[in-house]
Parts: sequence; C-alpha cells; structure tokens
Amino acid sequence: DTAVSQTPKYLVTQMGNDKSIKCEQNLGHDTMYWYKQDSKKFLKIMFSYNNKELIINETVPNRFSPKSPDKAHLNLHINSLELGDSAVYFCASSQDQQALGSGYTFGSGTRLTVV
Amino acid sequence: AQTVTQSQPEMSVQEAETVTLSCTYDTSESNYYLFWYKQPPSRQMILVIRQEAYKQQNATENRFSVNFQKAAKSFSLKISDSQLGDTAMYFCAFTAMYSGGGADGLTFGKGTHLIIQP
Repeated sequence: DTAVSQTPKYLVTQMGNDKSIKCEQNLGHDTMYWYKQDSKKFLKIMFSYNNKELIINETVPNRFSPKSPDKAHLNLHINSLELGDSAVYFCASSQDQQALGSGYTFGSGTRLTVV
Repeated sequence: AQTVTQSQPEMSVQEAETVTLSCTYDTSESNYYLFWYKQPPSRQMILVIRQEAYKQQNATENRFSVNFQKAAKSFSLKISDSQLGDTAMYFCAFTAMYSGGGADGLTFGKGTHLIIQP
C-alpha cells in the first residue's frame, strides 16, 4: 500500500489551462504539504495544512490554490497555467511535532510540463 | 528564517570508497530536526537519516552516519563502502519544533549530486 500517493504522475498541458493534482495519505498523519522542485532540483515548500487548516502559505501566485477536504487529502489546483509553472510537484505528510522524528513521507511527485 | 547550505554541487567517488557530503544551516531555534534525503533518478524522495538537535549522539543507519556539530551548525553525511545504488541527489533538510505545536515544513539545501563510479 502506497503511503502518500499523488495523481497524475505526469501532466502535459497548454498555457492558460486549469489543472489539478491530487494527493492522499493513508498514514494517519496530521499535516500535509505541497513542495515544488524546479529545473535545478531546488525544493521549496508551497503550502502546509494541519488537520484541514492552512498553516503555511509561502509566496506563490494566487493561481495556486490548495484544497483539503479531509485530513487524508490535499489537492493542488492551478489556474491559468504558465510556462514557468513547469516543475515537479511533491506532496508530503508528517505526524505532529511530538512525532517528527519519524520524518516526512513524500509522494512520488507529479511532473508538470506546460507547453 | 532558516537556511540550509550544501556547498558541493557534485561529487564523484569510486565504488567501495567512503564519501562525506557537507551541510551547514543557520537558525535561531534551539529545538529542531535535521534530515538527509536521497533522490535517485526515479525522483522518489527517500529518507536516509535523521538527527534530533537535542541528542548529542550522532545518528547512524547501516552505512550512513552523520557528524552533527551543533555549535558549528554543521550536519555532514558520511557514506561508507559506497555502492552504485548510492548514485543520487542528496538533500540536507531542516525543520524547527515550536512550543505551540504543529509541524513546520522542511527547508532544503540545493542538493549534492553524488556519482558512484564502478
């Protein structure tokens, strides 16, 4: 059973389109995240949700909107896609502060290509 | 704000050799975790090893060990008896613990591309 699963794994779309990436975790973790990995492999946090509540919202365009229907799901919706949005997007989850020693678990990533 | 610096963009060693990847960080927090993640060409992020800041003993996981120097804010990764499968990007990462609870996100370094030559 996959612990953190994201779909789709690959996404090719045209500029101006709207797309969503879905993420689900079956670990019972309290917090979920979206990270962006750019073409130089640099990973940066975008959003964090703790128990369906937005905790971290880094400086990303408001075309990006996370949605958490429940603790086990965190989806990422992107409006009006631009060429610069091309990247690998990772979903991750973690337990609360007291159990951070178990680390963060990552999904396998979604490679988004905007053409 | 926390920063993580990995000063070696790329390293190459022969199989079976020992290699050390460097990482330094900057923070004003006293409680935090440090991690090393491996990202092979499959792009999966794999946790290699973790260290709690309040523990003085260096973490060890089989062939992987760290040298944690809290005062110097240094957290290097040593890979012993390197294997071809160790070829990957390695990321050092930091997360703070706050008394208010809730998990903070990871701050990553820019990564070191490690190549193990046969």
